[in-house]
Amino acid sequence: DIRLTQSPSFLSASVGDRVTITCRASQAISRYLAWYQQKPGKAPNLLIYTAFTLQSGVPSRFSGSGSGTEFTLTISSLQPEDFATYYCQQLNSYPRTFGQGTKVEVK
Amino acid sequence: EVQLVESGGGLVQPGGSLSLSCAASGFAFGGYSLNWVRQAPGKGLEWVSYIGSSGTIHYAESVKGRFTISRDNAKKSLYLQMSSLRAEDTAVYYCVRDRDYYDSSGYFGGAFDIWGQGTMVTVSS
Repeated sequence: DIRLTQSPSFLSASVGDRVTITCRASQAISRYLAWYQQKPGKAPNLLIYTAFTLQSGVPSRFSGSGSGTEFTLTISSLQPEDFATYYCQQLNSYPRTFGQGTKVEVK
Repeated sequence: EVQLVESGGGLVQPGGSLSLSCAASGFAFGGYSLNWVRQAPGKGLEWVSYIGSSGTIHYAESVKGRFTISRDNAKKSLYLQMSSLRAEDTAVYYCVRDRDYYDSSGYFGGAFDIWGQGTMVTVSS
């Protein structure tokens, strides 16, 4: 199984901050990585697929990069509605796996 | 509106069985692959099972032999039959659409683009 490790697991930030979350895969997955945002009590929401493609309707302050084994999700200027938990997911092979999550909290 | 709505969750005793359903609307159901993903209370996301548009099936090792995924394209519905349930199966279960993306070179990648609201399954005596 491909293991995804996100760092950090918790992040304290302020509105307007630039935030970067890293996802490392235990083996190369090309660009087959997606990022999701989840707010408490809600289902996850797709932000980015194929490592860098922004899902329709997602604000442009979100961006993704990387390939192979290292990927990043960047929020260029954190907004109040961005405080949430973020997950990466690999879609290179089965079983599909998710990172453990990164909770972005108010500083 | 593209929508997935799960039902069938509830309280079940260890060793018992439960069947989940997911009703789809707003898209060509038969042309999409679908998944079940679960989330234990306070924990992260765990992929459970996949069924392709052509019927290909995959399971997580943790549920293999106990859970059965199926679909009825005529009813636009996805199912998960769960048996020999354990306390560690306690979770919110999400029905999720699996979308493939293509560019001029062919397959570009995939993602879980539409999620249901989830249904809670509690395994406890």
